[in-house]
Amino acid sequence: AQRVTQPEKLLSVFKGAPVELKCNYSYSGSPELFWYVQYSRQRLQLLLRHISRESIKGFTADLNKGETSFHLKKPFAQEEDSAMYYCALSGFNQGGKLIFGQGTELSVKP
Amino acid sequence: KAGVTQTPRYLIKTRGQQVTLSCSPISGHRSVSWYQQTPGQGLQFLFEYFSETQRNKGNFPGRFSGRQFSNSRSEMNVSTLELGDSALYLCASSLTLTGAGNTIYFGEGSWLTVV
Repeated sequence: AQRVTQPEKLLSVFKGAPVELKCNYSYSGSPELFWYVQYSRQRLQLLLRHISRESIKGFTADLNKGETSFHLKKPFAQEEDSAMYYCALSGFNQGGKLIFGQGTELSVKP
Repeated sequence: KAGVTQTPRYLIKTRGQQVTLSCSPISGHRSVSWYQQTPGQGLQFLFEYFSETQRNKGNFPGRFSGRQFSNSRSEMNVSTLELGDSALYLCASSLTLTGAGNTIYFGEGSWLTVV
């Protein structure tokens, strides 16, 4: 079955602390993995994708095929990072069909 | 460049009625997909259209349908509304169907409340 699991509904950290949002997936094949972010009162937007291997707003994520994980990390959290974060996967040639996790709310306290 | 535009933003319907939601993709985008977002089920894929043809479909009953026009604008329709259909309906657009390097952009959504 195709599934994305984000085990934490809420993650609360202090400003400057490292943060790791967990994402595990189940997919038979080679999926493309994404992290989407939704700031308060804003639309869902792409944060990063595994094929780009880039760092956006200080966030990075590495695809671990052995552990079927795609955890999102940032070494020093900022208050403006507070948002809902969704991990998602897309199958090869599945276009706009994304399978989302339930989301993790990140709260960065001053 | 204008983003994905959805109308109406908010609406209230009565059980048994039907509703039509509209989506205008980013200019030049030919793929439009729809999602339902609820607190209990999260974000769930409804269907995707490309070149006026449905290319992918999620696990929703036949009461949920959609279509795409030649200008890539899309509509989704829900007939015989149930209380459980209350949700945020998100539209997303992308250039093509292929996954690699194809960024999907989301609209702000249409909030549907069924009473």
